[in-house]
Amino acid sequence: DVKVTQSSRYLVKRTGEKVFLECVQDMDHENMFWYRQDPGLGLRLIYFSYDVKMKEKGDIPEGYSVSREKKERFSLILESASTNQTSMYLCASSIYRDPETNEQFFGPGTRLTVL
Amino acid sequence: GNSVTQMEGPVTLSEEAFLTINCTYTATGYPSLFWYVQYPGEGLQLLLKATKADDKGSNKGFEATYRKETTSFHLEKGSVQVSDSAVYFCALSALSSGGSYIPTFGRGTSLIVHP
Repeated sequence: DVKVTQSSRYLVKRTGEKVFLECVQDMDHENMFWYRQDPGLGLRLIYFSYDVKMKEKGDIPEGYSVSREKKERFSLILESASTNQTSMYLCASSIYRDPETNEQFFGPGTRLTVL
Repeated sequence: GNSVTQMEGPVTLSEEAFLTINCTYTATGYPSLFWYVQYPGEGLQLLLKATKADDKGSNKGFEATYRKETTSFHLEKGSVQVSDSAVYFCALSALSSGGSYIPTFGRGTSLIVHP
């Protein structure tokens, strides 16, 4: 069974802390994505990566950075967490450049609360 | 840019009622279209997809037809069950300027089915 796993289901951090959210997929997918999900706003793309060490900004990259040192792992970093980053964070992966099967596979999400 | 508009929820139905959730899109080129479902406490999972005009995607009794002339991909089910209660996201995948397929999601429609 294919899987995308995220390091934590729930996380509570304090304002100003550096926060790492980890995502691992076992499907050998090239593309990986980080979204945040907020009520009434749906999913908003933060960053995505289509290869190791490659990254591109999504719609809302401010306040975030990412790291992809290995194909299976994509990390989201909040350099200095703020209360407006309290949200549900979803990681996803997909096959590169294949529109026929370009479905996204999602992890279970990390609910981050910044106090 | 690309965009997806879906009807606002919540949609509240009795068991065995007919379901329609409207979705329209704007995209350059010929996108692939998807419906994802998110059950409480979980990540999104693919429900069905269609990759070209007039294609019909179907799964678990749900159907949607890719209508290029009306740029729509409405989700339907003839008889809903309590277990269908979830949030439904319409999405498209289209080629970005960077050469990879970037997804665009609607804001989601919550479905509540009462016994």
